[in-house]
Amino acid sequence: SAVISQKPSRDICQRGTSLTIQCQVDSQVTMMFWYRQQPGQSLTLIATANQGSEATYESGFVIDKFPISRPNLTFSTLTVSNMSPEDSSIYLCSVEDLTSGRHEQFFGPGTRLTVL
Amino acid sequence: GDSVTQMEGPVTLSEEAFLTINCTYTATGYPSLFWYVQYPGEGLQLLLKATKADDKGSNKGFEATYRKETTSFHLEKGSVQVSDSAVYFCALRVGSGNQFYFGTGTSLTVIP
Repeated sequence: SAVISQKPSRDICQRGTSLTIQCQVDSQVTMMFWYRQQPGQSLTLIATANQGSEATYESGFVIDKFPISRPNLTFSTLTVSNMSPEDSSIYLCSVEDLTSGRHEQFFGPGTRLTVL
Repeated sequence: GDSVTQMEGPVTLSEEAFLTINCTYTATGYPSLFWYVQYPGEGLQLLLKATKADDKGSNKGFEATYRKETTSFHLEKGSVQVSDSAVYFCALRVGSGNQFYFGTGTSLTVIP
């Protein structure tokens, strides 16, 4: 299984600022995703991070608010821009290697964000 | 659309009790079904999965059977331990490389 690390693990930020979350995988993977887990709720997919091109966003999420980079097959960043308290959530990176044929996604430990 | 409905918690059980966490799904195609577990302070981990009807996924004493006729994938364990205390998420996906649809999670606490 892939080993995924995220930085930072948690942060407390002021309203109006931005935070960039990093996701690093220990092996090359085909697919990388970013999810949000709001307090007491389930996970919601924000976007699919595409290597070398713009991310694919789900309904309700836009690039200006959640810019994503994926410069290579092992690394991605998610930025939460112009934050408000409603952005307080756990943000999770997940990966899947389509070449494995195992149809499994692996999740990072998450970044717990609190916006004051 | 695709969705998962999961039994609400929290659930509190005594050690060695029998566990059932209900999960039903709605899907437009032929989904694969998953149970993920999130231990305190950790990320989501795949617990078990089933990719077609009548398949049984099993791991660490947990089992779930993919029931197409009832569109269900209930999680069971015959004898829970304190170390099973975690949040359990049911999820589905149609096809590979596509997004997961997660249930809301069920918090389980096992007391000695």
